[in-house]
Amino acid sequence: DAKTTQPTSMDCAEGRAANLPCNHSTISGNEYVYWYRQIHSQGPQYIIHGLKNNETNEMASLIITEDRKSSTLILPHATLRDTAVYYCIVRVGSNDYKLSFGAGTTVTVRA
Amino acid sequence: GAVVSQHPSWVICKSGTSVKIECRSLDFQATTMFWYRQFPKQSLMLMATSNEGSKATYEQGVEKDKFLINHASLTLSTLTVTSAHPEDSSFYICSASSRVNEAFFGQGTRLTVV
Repeated sequence: DAKTTQPTSMDCAEGRAANLPCNHSTISGNEYVYWYRQIHSQGPQYIIHGLKNNETNEMASLIITEDRKSSTLILPHATLRDTAVYYCIVRVGSNDYKLSFGAGTTVTVRA
Repeated sequence: GAVVSQHPSWVICKSGTSVKIECRSLDFQATTMFWYRQFPKQSLMLMATSNEGSKATYEQGVEKDKFLINHASLTLSTLTVTSAHPEDSSFYICSASSRVNEAFFGQGTRLTVV
C-alpha cells in the first residue's frame, strides 16, 4: 500500500470548517483513500473513503485531486467532539481489510 | 455502521498470568478480524490477521506463542496474552469487516500488567 504524509497537528475553531490535508504521491490506480479518526482511548472510527471522485457523507467530505496524489478531508462544522487523531490511509480495495496506520494528524478543536 | 464489541474494556493482571480478550461482531459475520496494539502516544500497529477456522497470520516481530489468537466462529475472535509481563501493557484493538470497503473497530482493551 502507498505511503501517506500528514501534518503532525492542527488547531481549528469550533463551528468552522476543518481542512485536513494528506499527500499520497505514490498512489496506484487501484488504491483507495480512506480516512479514520481515533478519539482518545477509543478504537478508530471510519469516516469516509474514495477512489477518484469527491465523496460526501453525514460526517465529512473528501476531496481528491485530479492526479490523485493528494486529498483533503473536510469537516464542515467542527465541534469539540471532533478533537481526535485523524488517519489518512491508502490501500487496495479487497476483502482483506488490513490497514496500516501512520502517525496521523492530531486535530484540536478549540472553543 | 456495524458494531464490533471488545471485552473487557480494561484489565489489570499480575505478571506471569494470562489474559483473554474477546472481539465480537454483533450484527454481521466477519470471516476476517484483525488485532492491533497501540502504545501510549503511538499509532496502531497490526499484530495479526485472524481468519475463521484457520490459523492466524502474525506480523513480523509478533510472537505467536505469546499472543494466541483463536477465531472459532464468524462472530468471535479471541486474543490471549500468555505469561504477561509489564512490557505487554498496552491498548489492544480488534477490527472486523463486513463488506469490501469498510472496517469497524472495537472500543479497545486497556491491559495493565503489574
